Amino acid sequence: EPEVTQTPSHQVTQMGQEVILRCVPISNHLYFYWYRQILGQKVEFLVSFYNNEISEKSEIFDDQFSVERPDGSNFTLKIRSTKLEDSAMYFCASSEQAGPYEQYFGPGTRLTVT
Amino acid sequence: AQSVTQLGSHVSVSEGALVLLRCNYSSSVPPYLFWYVQYPNQGLQLLLKYTSAATLVKGINGFEAEFKKSETSFHLTKPSAHMSDAAEYFCAVSSLLDDYKLSFGAGTTVTVRA
Repeated sequence: EPEVTQTPSHQVTQMGQEVILRCVPISNHLYFYWYRQILGQKVEFLVSFYNNEISEKSEIFDDQFSVERPDGSNFTLKIRSTKLEDSAMYFCASSEQAGPYEQYFGPGTRLTVT
Repeated sequence: AQSVTQLGSHVSVSEGALVLLRCNYSSSVPPYLFWYVQYPNQGLQLLLKYTSAATLVKGINGFEAEFKKSETSFHLTKPSAHMSDAAEYFCAVSSLLDDYKLSFGAGTTVTVRA
């Protein structure tokens, strides 16, 4: 069964460093999402992406964040200058269509900022 | 804005007993409702979803949920718990107004006693 993959599974970085989290969505999916979950808190929406542009972004998704689909398979989340409060589990998701359709989630990347 | 509240962060059940996880939603427009499950070190997997068809929704692994508009609820049940049901369960809501992004509850951790 097709699945969303994410790399790395765990990333440790120092405050102020740039990180890139990578995701490979399911191949025929057109809509892509990033969510994050800070330890002990809810899973929160960050951004949605369709047709090579951001569809919607949350208040969390400030200028330090960016997303890109550099080729036909990868979908990346970049944090330019990490802060301690960026430490969280980051989930990538994809869906075939927009609307109330299943979003398929990857296993997550645990980002630890020290 | 839409939101969900999950009552009870931890639920402990005996093997073979009823599993009941509570979810109440808030939405100004007809909602779409989802239950996701997360096993340790894995991504979120869709258990079932309500998209305005039948109010009683059956999902995978013997789970079902009933949409009750009058109670703004979407509780998840399973008649007989199995050891493999130990996981974290998330209720989520989406709607057209929010571009179908998922808004998650805080999650309920289920433990199953032998």
